[in-house]
Amino acid sequence: KAGVTQTPRYLIKTRGQQVTLSCSPISGHRSVSWYQQTPGQGLQFLFEYFSETQRNKGNFPGRFSGRQFSNSRSEMNVSTLELGDSALYLCASSLRGGEGYGYTFGSGTRLTVV
Amino acid sequence: TQLLEQSPQFLSIQEGENLTVYCNSSSVFSSLQWYRQEPGEGPVLLVTVVTGGEVKKLKRLTFQFGDARKDSSLHITAAQPGDTGLYLCAGLSGNTPLVFGKGTRLSVIA
Repeated sequence: KAGVTQTPRYLIKTRGQQVTLSCSPISGHRSVSWYQQTPGQGLQFLFEYFSETQRNKGNFPGRFSGRQFSNSRSEMNVSTLELGDSALYLCASSLRGGEGYGYTFGSGTRLTVV
Repeated sequence: TQLLEQSPQFLSIQEGENLTVYCNSSSVFSSLQWYRQEPGEGPVLLVTVVTGGEVKKLKRLTFQFGDARKDSSLHITAAQPGDTGLYLCAGLSGNTPLVFGKGTRLSVIA
């Protein structure tokens, strides 16, 4: 079965611009979580969506937002990009998320802000 | 905030050596997961441990969950170059999001 698909794989943006990243989960999975990975901070949780509703949110500024569509595909948006937003953005797909459920990660989107 | 501390942060060993990676927290987790991540890819789930004291084996990898469910360890026997990667532990509790440690970067030299 198809894995988790993240697009685009690589992205270069200029400070002040906005960006939208996409994640298509495994078919039948209803939970999508987003993480930011940097060398210094590791994987930090951004938000989780389940059945089109945001279920959990991490400690990121309001410039970071997301949504989930009825087919479970999810997008995250970052507005007014800063240099510090350069990172690998990972999404994780799960049947329902939470205890007892495994998570499958996509290969990520490498965002570079210049 | 639940935090997971992993040690060591970096590990470079020769092929054939044994090693142990630790994952510690002051919080109790319902379950612990271990992932391995290779450059340019997302983390891949290796194992989930859910019961205090539980030991799981995956070929040359042995995972243990502490009795109090606050810590875990990963032991690799006779490491091979193919074991090279970033090893991440992650904790789950209820419906809170998966919390990750910062990882142990392992390099196995042939």
